[in-house]
Amino acid sequence: EIVLTQSPDFQSVTPKEKVTITCRASQSVGSSLHWYQQKPDQSPKLLIKYASQSISGVPSRFSGSGSGTDFTLTINSLEAEDAAAYYCHQSSSLPWTFGQGTKVEIK
Amino acid sequence: EVQLVESGGGLVQPGGSLRLSCAASGFTFSNYAMSWVRQAPGKGLEWVSAISGSGGSTYYADSAKGRFTISRDNSRNTLYLQMNSLRVEDTAFYYCAKHYYGAPGDAFDIWGQGTKVTVSS
Repeated sequence: EIVLTQSPDFQSVTPKEKVTITCRASQSVGSSLHWYQQKPDQSPKLLIKYASQSISGVPSRFSGSGSGTDFTLTINSLEAEDAAAYYCHQSSSLPWTFGQGTKVEIK
Repeated sequence: EVQLVESGGGLVQPGGSLRLSCAASGFTFSNYAMSWVRQAPGKGLEWVSAISGSGGSTYYADSAKGRFTISRDNSRNTLYLQMNSLRVEDTAFYYCAKHYYGAPGDAFDIWGQGTKVTVSS
């Protein structure tokens, strides 16, 4: 099973600050790495697919990069509405797995 | 509008059974693989099971193998998860999710609102 380890687990950030969340895979997943945002009491929402591909309707301040085992989700100029948990997910190898999540809090 | 609506959750005793349903609308259901993903209270996301668009191929996490069965009825645009021999640790919100390009290994672009399963005596 591929283990995805996100860092940090928690981040408290002021509005307009840049946020970087990393996801490290225990073995290569190529570019089959996706990012989701989950706000309290809501379902997850797809932010980035296949490491860096944008999703229609997702604000351009969200971007992804990486390949192989190391990936990054970047939120440029954080907004108050971005307070949420963020998860990475690999679809390269069964069983498909998620990272443990990163909670972003607005100061 | 593309939509997924789950139902069938509830309170069940350990060892009991439940069948979850996920009604899909707004897209050609049979063209897309679908998954079930769960989230225990206060915890992260765990993929549970997936099924190909035709229903001919199914995939399970180890935690679900031998106890859960995923199926679909493309004529009814509905996905199912039959859960048997339920354990306390199966307590979670269960989400159905549509695969982005339709392939089994894929991003999940549409999620339902979830249905709550509580396993307790």
